[in-house]
Amino acid sequence: DVKVTQSSRYLVKRTGEKVFLECVQDMDHENMFWYRQDPGLGLRLIYFSYDVKMKEKGDIPEGYSVSREKKERFSLILESASTNQTSMYLCASSLWQGGNTIYFGEGSWLTVV
Amino acid sequence: RKEVEQDPGPFNVPEGATVAFNCTYSNSASQSFFWYRQDCRKEPKLLMSVYSSGNEDGRFTAQLNRASQYISLLIRDSKLSDSATYLCVAQTGANNLFFGTGTRLTVIP
Repeated sequence: DVKVTQSSRYLVKRTGEKVFLECVQDMDHENMFWYRQDPGLGLRLIYFSYDVKMKEKGDIPEGYSVSREKKERFSLILESASTNQTSMYLCASSLWQGGNTIYFGEGSWLTVV
Repeated sequence: RKEVEQDPGPFNVPEGATVAFNCTYSNSASQSFFWYRQDCRKEPKLLMSVYSSGNEDGRFTAQLNRASQYISLLIRDSKLSDSATYLCVAQTGANNLFFGTGTRLTVIP
C-alpha cells in the first residue's frame, strides 16, 4: 500500500526557532511536494522536487527551504519560524508523469507561538 | 482569479439525497482532473479521477465539460459517511496541480 509518512504530527515552536519537517515515501516516486493548508485558502504549494537535489519554488516559498538528499525523503525547513507560519503542512508524492495520483501524508500541525 | 474555484458550501443534505458539486477551472491547458475527499483534520485522499467521457464509481459520478471548463461530482443516495470536504484538482503538468478550496458536505440523519 502507498505510504507517505510525516514524522512530526503536532509541533509547537517558538518564534525564531528553526523547524524541520520530515517526509518519507516508500513508492519510489520522483515527485515530492510540500503544501500548507489554511482555512479559506486551500492548499498552497511551497516547494516541489522532481529528483534528488532538485527543487522548484511553488507559490509561497518565502520563509521556507527544502532538502532532498535521497529520493524517498523530502524535508521542509523553516529557517526562523514566525506566527504566520502556523498551519497544517502536507507532504505529497507522485510519479513523474502528469496525470498520476498524488498521495498525501497525514499532515503536520505546526503552531508557532 | 483563482485557477480552480468551488462553492465552499456547506451543503447540508438528508441521508439518501442526491447532491452535486461543480468546480470551474481557468486554464484551458489543464489536462487531468481529480476529486479528492478530505475528512476533518485529515489528509486529502483520492476519490476519483475525472475522464473526458465521464466516469462512475458506485454512487459517485464525475463529469468533465471542457467547453465550459468545469468538472462536477454527483453523489447519489448520500450516506452519513459521505460527510467531508471535497476538493477538485486541475493539473496542467506533473508539478502544476491546482486545488480548489473545497466544498463541505454534511449528510444529516
